[in-house]
Amino acid sequence: GQSLEQPSEVTAVEGAIVQINCTYQTSGFYGLSWYQQHDGGAPTFLSYNALDGLEETGRFSSFLSRSDSYGYLLLQELQMKDSASYFCAVRDWSSARQLTFGSGTQLTVLP
Amino acid sequence: DTEVTQTPKHLVMGMTNKKSLKCEQHMGHRAMYWYKQKAKKPPELMFVYSYEKLSINESVPSRFSPECPNSSLLNLHLHALQPEDSALYLCASSQDPGTSGAYEQYFGPGTRLTVT
Repeated sequence: GQSLEQPSEVTAVEGAIVQINCTYQTSGFYGLSWYQQHDGGAPTFLSYNALDGLEETGRFSSFLSRSDSYGYLLLQELQMKDSASYFCAVRDWSSARQLTFGSGTQLTVLP
Repeated sequence: DTEVTQTPKHLVMGMTNKKSLKCEQHMGHRAMYWYKQKAKKPPELMFVYSYEKLSINESVPSRFSPECPNSSLLNLHLHALQPEDSALYLCASSQDPGTSGAYEQYFGPGTRLTVT
């Protein structure tokens, strides 16, 4: 099976930088994804890392270290609208179509 | 069009009712998913359809019955539900992962289900 760990809550102020970590245990790892979900909304895809290194998309970056079974999501120039839940999710070879989600990190951005 | 639509947005049903949730996508995706999400929890996978065939059933009770009439539509038929089944039901779609290195699931807005 798979297991993922991420912090339950993170608080930061507008304009700051925040990093949300995710460690995972899985066999046959395929890739790590990040999703954002606002209260009452649907999860929306942020990034996907299959290889080691940093992927940058605007203010958001995601990093993966396969050897450490670790990844993080980096949010820069925080805005109030970034307040949301952030989920890491793994896909592995046992079922390439299946995502297993972490428990989620509630990010609160303060003015 | 990168949208997944779901109907209805809200549903209240009694434990003896039969109802259906509907999901539609026109992105040409051949994998479609049903998830259940409780408040403050991550989405939990229920079913996966690949090329209109059920490929994963995560030991979901038989009171939930999925159906994939064609490559664009996904239904979830509900019967004799329990109050603990009240949740947000999310539909998602993706390209078949075997054909692409990237992997992104597109989620619909969900159906907020309340069982009384």
